[in-house]
Amino acid sequence: NAGVTQTPKFQVLKTGQSMTLQCAQDMNHNSMYWYRQDPGMGLRLIYYSASEGTTDKGEVPNGYNVSRLNKREFSLRLESAAPSQTSVYFCASSVRANEKLFFGSGTQLSVL
Amino acid sequence: AQKITQTQPGMFVQEKEAVTLDCTYDTSDQSYGLFWYKQPSSGEMIFLIYQGSYDEQNATEGRYSLNFQKARKSANLVISASQLGDSAMYFCAMREGPGGTSYGKLTFGQGTILTVHP
Repeated sequence: NAGVTQTPKFQVLKTGQSMTLQCAQDMNHNSMYWYRQDPGMGLRLIYYSASEGTTDKGEVPNGYNVSRLNKREFSLRLESAAPSQTSVYFCASSVRANEKLFFGSGTQLSVL
Repeated sequence: AQKITQTQPGMFVQEKEAVTLDCTYDTSDQSYGLFWYKQPSSGEMIFLIYQGSYDEQNATEGRYSLNFQKARKSANLVISASQLGDSAMYFCAMREGPGGTSYGKLTFGQGTILTVHP
């Protein structure tokens, strides 16, 4: 009963390093999302994919890229990490676009 | 302008009492949806309740109910008979436009930390 699985759970990067956050869902959902959570800011949408083969920018896309690899998987890439990208990252999915979201357990990322 | 406003950074309630967490929203769309999520200290996001803008009845899910006042643009979460396990951060979120389209993404408020005292 996995639901939405994110890896890794924790990551420390140095400024300028790159990395990819992985997300997979096994619920046959059409839509997937990446959010970041900063203290006092709630969750902010980085990118989303309404359906396989499409991706679109959210509220805070700068510094990130995404790939909807297939219906199950949606990855988030930081090409050149910056301290401002220190945050908790959540992947989510939904049956249809922008309906009830199911969240992964989050990735705590620190950029030094 | 903030689309979702949660004015209570922190709330305290005695175990077994009811508590209301406030949420106001701002949209010009006629069709929209309102969600509440719970985030315990472990960090996961748990869906609690949903209210559609055209739903005539207030949504209820067990001990959770949503006090939807459309004219006032408020969607307050009411937790009845609080339990120690209800201590968590609570987020209100809104989707503008109808569900199933890529038009309206979920926008989250800043959250309210609820502490339940024994």
